[in-house]
Amino acid sequence: EAQVTQNPRYLITVTGKKLTVTCSQNMNHEYMSWYRQDPGLGLRQIYYSMNVEVTDKGDVPEGYKVSRKEKRNFPLILESPSPNQTSLYFCASNQAGTGGWIDEQYFGPGTRLTVT
Amino acid sequence: KQEVTQIPAALSVPEGENLVLNCSFTDSAIYNLQWFRQDPGKGLTSLLLIQSSQREQTSGRLNASLDKSSGRSTLYIAASQPGDSATYLCAVGNFNKFYFGSGTKLNVKP
Repeated sequence: EAQVTQNPRYLITVTGKKLTVTCSQNMNHEYMSWYRQDPGLGLRQIYYSMNVEVTDKGDVPEGYKVSRKEKRNFPLILESPSPNQTSLYFCASNQAGTGGWIDEQYFGPGTRLTVT
Repeated sequence: KQEVTQIPAALSVPEGENLVLNCSFTDSAIYNLQWFRQDPGKGLTSLLLIQSSQREQTSGRLNASLDKSSGRSTLYIAASQPGDSATYLCAVGNFNKFYFGSGTKLNVKP
């Protein structure tokens, strides 16, 4: 089954304790993204990756890191989480071609993070 | 920067009604537009994807249109059902970035 998986689904942590949210897709997609969703603000793109070892900032990258060492995995790292990073996080992937052609995005189930 | 707006923010209709959800965007230089459905506590499910060269897409009771020049898209839902109750999001793709609206929360009453 084609899917994007995220772990953990729920996480409560304390300020400053480093954490990693994993994301994996089994569709051989080149493009992967991380979003956060906050009430009234919608989904905002944190980071994206066009392919292995190619990553770039989205609209809200501050306080986050990513890496893309393998095509299927795109972990999100919070080196020193703060309460304003409490949010619902989504990973997504899609096929991307040349000339701007982009296929539909597939989303993971989300990770609800609470930082106290 | 691309701004995406969805109106209305919430909508309540009786079962069987046809309805239209609106999405507008400020930068017409887009690569695609995608409509999603989000159920409470769940991820996003893709409904329809319209590439920039297309004017509309249809899937079952859903029809989405795209007018790039005016910066608008509409999602038409025919013969609404209680199972259609969810939040509907539109997302605009500008090359390698995506911008989402805040969504329209739809409630279809039996």
